[in-house]
This record gives sequence, C-alpha cells and structure tokens, in this order.
Amino acid sequence: GDSVTQMEGPVTLSEEAFLTINCTYTATGYPSLFWYVQYPGEGLQLLLKATKADDKGSNKGFEATYRKETTSFHLEKGSVQVSDSAVYFCALGKIGGYQKVTFGTGTKLQVIP
Amino acid sequence: EAQVTQNPRYLITVTGKKLTVTCSQNMNHEYMSWYRQDPGLGLRQIYYSMNVEVTDKGDVPEGYKVSRKEKRNFPLILESPSPNQTSLYFCASSPTGVNTEAFFGQGTRLTVV
Repeated sequence: GDSVTQMEGPVTLSEEAFLTINCTYTATGYPSLFWYVQYPGEGLQLLLKATKADDKGSNKGFEATYRKETTSFHLEKGSVQVSDSAVYFCALGKIGGYQKVTFGTGTKLQVIP
Repeated sequence: EAQVTQNPRYLITVTGKKLTVTCSQNMNHEYMSWYRQDPGLGLRQIYYSMNVEVTDKGDVPEGYKVSRKEKRNFPLILESPSPNQTSLYFCASSPTGVNTEAFFGQGTRLTVV
C-alpha cells in the first residue's frame, strides 16, 4: 500500500539556519504530494503542495520539489525563524474523485534564538 | 470564516461510556474524514464520507462509528470506548476533485480511563 517515510525528529536549529526535512514515499500511480504544518495546540494546515513530477511547491519561504526518480519530496527553508517551530507532516494524496491522504509520522522542529 | 469545528476540544471519559465527538464544516465540502494522531504513528484515517449517506472505513475503523445525515456534519461515535482509543482526533473536509486541499479542525484530545 501507499506509505510516507520522513526523518525522525526532533530537529533543533538555531535561528537563521538552513532546514532540510527528508521525505520519501511509496505509491502506485501518480500521487500529489503535500507538506502540512501543525503549530502547538492547533490542527494541520497545508504548507505547500506539488501535483506532478518536477513541480516545486513553495510558501512562506519553504520549498519542496516532487522528484519522481528518487520518490522524494524534501522540505527546505533557507533561514528558519523561531516562529517556524512546529511539527511538519509529509503526505501523499491519490488522484481520484476524493482526497485520500496518507501521512508520514511527523517531524518536530524547534528553532532556538 | 471558512472553518472546521470540532467539539469538545478535550474529553476525559471512562471505559465503556458512549461518547460522540461532533464535527461541522461551513464550506459546503462533499468529502469529510476523521483521523487519529498518535506519537510515532502520524495521522491514520478512521472513516471517511464522500457525501451525505455515503461513508466508508479508513485504515483504523475498529471501535468507531460515523454518520453523515447532513452535508455539514460528520460526528464520530465511540459506542464503548477503551483506553487504546486515547488519542488526538482530527476531523477534515475537502471538496471532491483532483488534488484538493484538506481543511482540518483544531482537534479533540480524548482520554479514556
């Protein structure tokens, strides 16, 4: 079945450091790929998405590129801020009449001043 | 404001006492689903509904029931809760179609003692 594997956390970085959170997936067909973010005490929010190979999703300084050849969708940000501290979930969605989303286990990011 | 509303946000109950967690969305979305979030396991889908009176099992449906009598509401029912259902629960909705974003509620933290 479909699955998503992302790096385990927690990840602790100093403010302005470069961030990479690795994500790889296994799926049949041509899934869409997502990164969701969960701030403390809140639900999940869509951070960015990519719907086909070589697409790059971007939002709030975060980027991720859909790499079909390596089945990866790594999240990157050039300079993190304390306000980026959250849990990040990589996910895949199957193309079809409805949204079936499979999530990774989440990676907690803590940014210290 | 477009939103998904869950109630209650926090609930402590005893084994075997039936409970219902409500979920309501104001975006006229066809698709709704329930997830549970557990440490190290990410989010796992419990049940989903593609429209009124159309529901189906997700990945971990045992011990749960749902109903979809109205488009906006999708309650989660635990007929006889057990301690292994202690978890953080999220309701989500999205319009049907390809690659659509899921909108999440703020979560319900359930403890079964």
